[in-house]
Amino acid sequence: SQQGEEDPQALSIQEGENATMNCSYKTSINNLQWYRQNSGRGLVHLILIRSNEREKHSGRLRVTLDTSKKSSSLLITASRAADTASYFCAPGTSYDKVIFGPGTSLSVIP
Amino acid sequence: DVKVTQSSRYLVKRTGEKVFLECVQDMDHENMFWYRQDPGLGLRLIYFSYDVKMKEKGDIPEGYSVSREKKERFSLILESASTNQTSMYLCASRSSGTWGQPQHFGDGTRLSIL
Repeated sequence: SQQGEEDPQALSIQEGENATMNCSYKTSINNLQWYRQNSGRGLVHLILIRSNEREKHSGRLRVTLDTSKKSSSLLITASRAADTASYFCAPGTSYDKVIFGPGTSLSVIP
Repeated sequence: DVKVTQSSRYLVKRTGEKVFLECVQDMDHENMFWYRQDPGLGLRLIYFSYDVKMKEKGDIPEGYSVSREKKERFSLILESASTNQTSMYLCASRSSGTWGQPQHFGDGTRLSIL
């Protein structure tokens, strides 16, 4: 199993700005996922990037993966108040259980 | 859309009680998971199940057991509830697959043990 470590722990930005969060992990993976959790709710899957991919886009989300540095980043462009949530990365392999890191708490101020 | 339903959003129980948390998924997923989430500690895996009647311990199984008699249902059991088991409990399901599959979460059960 793998555990990702998100950085920063907390991030506060103004609406319209971009938000960047980072994830580091320790050993080899074949995919990495990002999840969002709104306050008091379950996690929602955002995006999956495979180890043979370097960048992936989904709407306002851009994820990068650098397997040589064992790191990933999640960029949210033109942030909105509704993006306020905690974000978790989940590095892993196909059949492994997923271990979530402590997450990044994002506050987007209107 | 995948739906994962947890039986209660909020639950209050007393120490020493046997507590059952139920989780049902509607997508015929092979894998199911139970986590607890505490401030500053993130999500911690309690138990997971690869298939009916199969279970494996996660990182913090002490004080818990699980049951998976049917594919769609995964139950978490607190054998004798204690105050340190007050937490948010999250259930998730996932299809097994070649390239990693996303986990689908329920909305959680906030459990208070008095």
